[in-house]
Amino acid sequence: DTGVSQDPRHKITKRGQNVTFRCDPISEHNRLYWYRQTLGQGPEFLTYFQNEAQLEKSRLLSDRFSAERPKGSFSTLEIQRTEQGDSAMYLCASSSAEQGSSNQPQHFGDGTRLSIL
Amino acid sequence: AQKITQTQPGMFVQEKEAVTLDCTYDTSDQSYGLFWYKQPSSGEMIFLIYQGSYDEQNATEGRYSLNFQKARKSANLVISASQLGDSAMYFCAMREMGGKLIFGQGTELSVKP
Repeated sequence: DTGVSQDPRHKITKRGQNVTFRCDPISEHNRLYWYRQTLGQGPEFLTYFQNEAQLEKSRLLSDRFSAERPKGSFSTLEIQRTEQGDSAMYLCASSSAEQGSSNQPQHFGDGTRLSIL
Repeated sequence: AQKITQTQPGMFVQEKEAVTLDCTYDTSDQSYGLFWYKQPSSGEMIFLIYQGSYDEQNATEGRYSLNFQKARKSANLVISASQLGDSAMYFCAMREMGGKLIFGQGTELSVKP
């Protein structure tokens, strides 16, 4: 078990370009979460999956954002037509939703830092 | 809506001393969970400690303990015997339905040698 893995660690792109991030959760975890963290703030929830089903999306997730978890394993987060305000750290976390796991923490990846030029 | 408030943007502590980081929360749920995470400058979020709303005992994990006062809706983190490696951002978080976390603004802790 190598923990939650995110790729890439850093992404620099020009405004208007599309970007895609990948998250590989801990293998036995069926829940996967995406958060966004801007400088000096705590992470903000974007969306989460239980297995392959996307169960909730935040109002922060505009129609330029899309997330998938096609086989219930890894997940991708795509941002289309990037804007300056999309510059942030994008964090992925995973956890187990099994009964009795309410006290289990979410395990976070190292994040992908996105910079929009 | 649930809310987490951390009122200390920055804290300083002398090495080997104890420090308390404040966290208050607001929820109408009877059952909830509270977490503390550490975020070093490298960016990863490291889980420290958990407190359930029905837990009668304050949680402890090594040098970390949680001062849980349910009536006051506070869940303060106490770090004993501070070390230089404790310098980091610390976030208090509450788990909502579905498991998503609501985070506070964080407290930056600096440990002085």
